Amino acid sequence: DGGITQSPKYLFRKEGQNVTLSCEQNLNHDAMYWYRQDPGQGLRLIYYSQIVNDFQKGDIAEGYSVSREKKESFPLTVTSAQKNPTAFYLCASSPRGRGHYEQYFGPGTRLTVT
Amino acid sequence: DQQVKQNSPSLSVQEGRISILNCDYTNSMFDYFLWYKKYPAEGPTFLISISSIKDKNEDGRFTVFLNKSAKHLSLHIVPSQPGDSAVYFCAASAGTGNQFYFGTGTSLTVIP
Repeated sequence: DGGITQSPKYLFRKEGQNVTLSCEQNLNHDAMYWYRQDPGQGLRLIYYSQIVNDFQKGDIAEGYSVSREKKESFPLTVTSAQKNPTAFYLCASSPRGRGHYEQYFGPGTRLTVT
Repeated sequence: DQQVKQNSPSLSVQEGRISILNCDYTNSMFDYFLWYKKYPAEGPTFLISISSIKDKNEDGRFTVFLNKSAKHLSLHIVPSQPGDSAVYFCAASAGTGNQFYFGTGTSLTVIP
């Protein structure tokens, strides 16, 4: 089945540790995105990538880093510089090209940092 | 600055009646609008979209209306069903291949 997988579903870390969230898609989509959702807030864009080896900062990129070495994979690292890392993280992908396309979302990873 | 706004955090509707969810935007460059449905602890799923060249798009029980002059769109669900209970996000983008901007969501409860 085609789709987006995020692992793990729940992740716990101690403050001061870096943590990497996984996102894999087999939809052959060029574009991939990372969002963060906090209670009572919408989805805020952290980073996005429209093509392999290229990515752009979103609205809240500080304290995060990404890589896009393969089309299928777009891992997100939450660094110790991120002041409020506890949140629900969503990865998405979409085709790229002429015309408009919706984004397809993974199931999300809930990160808790104590 | 929030470019896409959903001013109603929650909405309750009786089963069988119409649900109307509203969304406002500020960026006149937005030309594509989407609605997503989200259950707790899951990723959003795409529901329906509309291009700025249209003012209405219908898919089964779901209809999206776009009023460009008012920078307003709405999602109508008729008839509402208990399974429609979820958080609904509207989103917008400007041009192709660009980022999407999401509203804060409206939690819909359909009462049996």
